[in-house]
Amino acid sequence: DSGVTQTPKHLITATGQRVTLRCSPRSGDLSVYWYQQSLDQGLQFLIQYYNGEERAKGNILERFSAQQFPDLHSELNLSSLELGDSALYFCASSLWGGPNYGYTFGSGTRLTVV
Amino acid sequence: GQQLNQSPQSMFIQEGEDVSMNCTSSSIFNTWLWYKQDPGEGPVLLIALYKAGELTSNGRLTAQFGITRKDSFLNISASIPSDVGIYFCAGVTGTASKLTFGTGTRLQVTL
Repeated sequence: DSGVTQTPKHLITATGQRVTLRCSPRSGDLSVYWYQQSLDQGLQFLIQYYNGEERAKGNILERFSAQQFPDLHSELNLSSLELGDSALYFCASSLWGGPNYGYTFGSGTRLTVV
Repeated sequence: GQQLNQSPQSMFIQEGEDVSMNCTSSSIFNTWLWYKQDPGEGPVLLIALYKAGELTSNGRLTAQFGITRKDSFLNISASIPSDVGIYFCAGVTGTASKLTFGTGTRLQVTL
């Protein structure tokens, strides 16, 4: 158990729908990062939050949004879902705002859009 | 954007063999990290490198931060079945607040 908790583990939904993925960072970590991993692809950075504020943005679609709450958990909202959004979505956390000491990853949410 | 290219893309080796994989970039990185991802799980940090030329070991794993700061190498000695998985390199530039991940090397170990 890495200490980063992601729910749900699996999600199957239809095109056009909206889903919310949840992440609880490791205790004491202030930064949360979201990554997308498509089949046989590497990890694509989506967005980072540090202590409740957006810190960095990557290749995140406009249909996607995220937030970090006062208790430091984070949610990734995916709307108007398309078949191509099917992927593993990982959340990672780190103590500070930078990744130099590496992130701790959760086990991911596998999203299937049908 | 920054690209990290890993080679080989995949490897099939026999148990007991040594493994070498590398990661190259067109950009300079200040930190190199190596992760392993088991099927259905998130990546787990194996080794972190912070200085050009640095050589660091973690059990049977050894990684090096290239002198040019544009590459890194990971070696696994005497491979065992549980070494199976995807190995990712990741880099951090000076001002970035995120990791850039490589394309991954998929390792299969046969008995």
